Amino acid sequence: AQRVTQPEKLLSVFKGAPVELKCNYSYSGSPELFWYVQYSRQRLQLLLRHISRESIKGFTADLNKGETSFHLKKPFAQEEDSAMYYCALSSPLEYGNKLVFGAGTILRVKS
Amino acid sequence: DTGVSQNPRHKITKRGQNVTFRCDPISEHNRLYWYRQTLGQGPEFLTYFQNEAQLEKSRLLSDRFSAERPKGSFSTLEIQRTEQGDSAMYLCASSLVWGTGELFFGEGSRLTVL
Repeated sequence: AQRVTQPEKLLSVFKGAPVELKCNYSYSGSPELFWYVQYSRQRLQLLLRHISRESIKGFTADLNKGETSFHLKKPFAQEEDSAMYYCALSSPLEYGNKLVFGAGTILRVKS
Repeated sequence: DTGVSQNPRHKITKRGQNVTFRCDPISEHNRLYWYRQTLGQGPEFLTYFQNEAQLEKSRLLSDRFSAERPKGSFSTLEIQRTEQGDSAMYLCASSLVWGTGELFFGEGSRLTVL
């Protein structure tokens, strides 16, 4: 069964500190992995996808198939990064692109 | 284009009543998804449409739940004989079949069953 695990409910860091939001998945194949973000009073939106291999707002994420992880990292946290972050998985073998989400991690960046 | 639109944004109802939520996707998007989110959890997949065809339903979608997408445009999600356990945020999302795989979400409809 497809499953996404985000072990931390809350991650609190100081401004300028490095950030790592953990995501582990279970999937028997090669999934597509995503990070979605929800800022206060805004809708859920895509932050980045592993296929793109891009950095968005200073965030990067590397798919590690050996460890079945897709951790989100940023070297220097900003206050505007405070939000709820969801890791999500979709199966390229299944029609429909539906996403399986983790429970989410609240990132709080303190000044 | 204002993105995916959902209404009502909030609905309070008594147990046993029926409720209906509406979702208007981004106009050129042919896929439409419904998710449910409860406190402390990520969104859980309920069902999705490609154009007017409902292609997949989750086991979470009991017989009391029905979704439609007539003419492949807006969609409705109806919950009959609501129960307190139905209290949740119901999220709608849309995407293109041949897009990047990105789902565009609405702001959600929050249901409270008393």
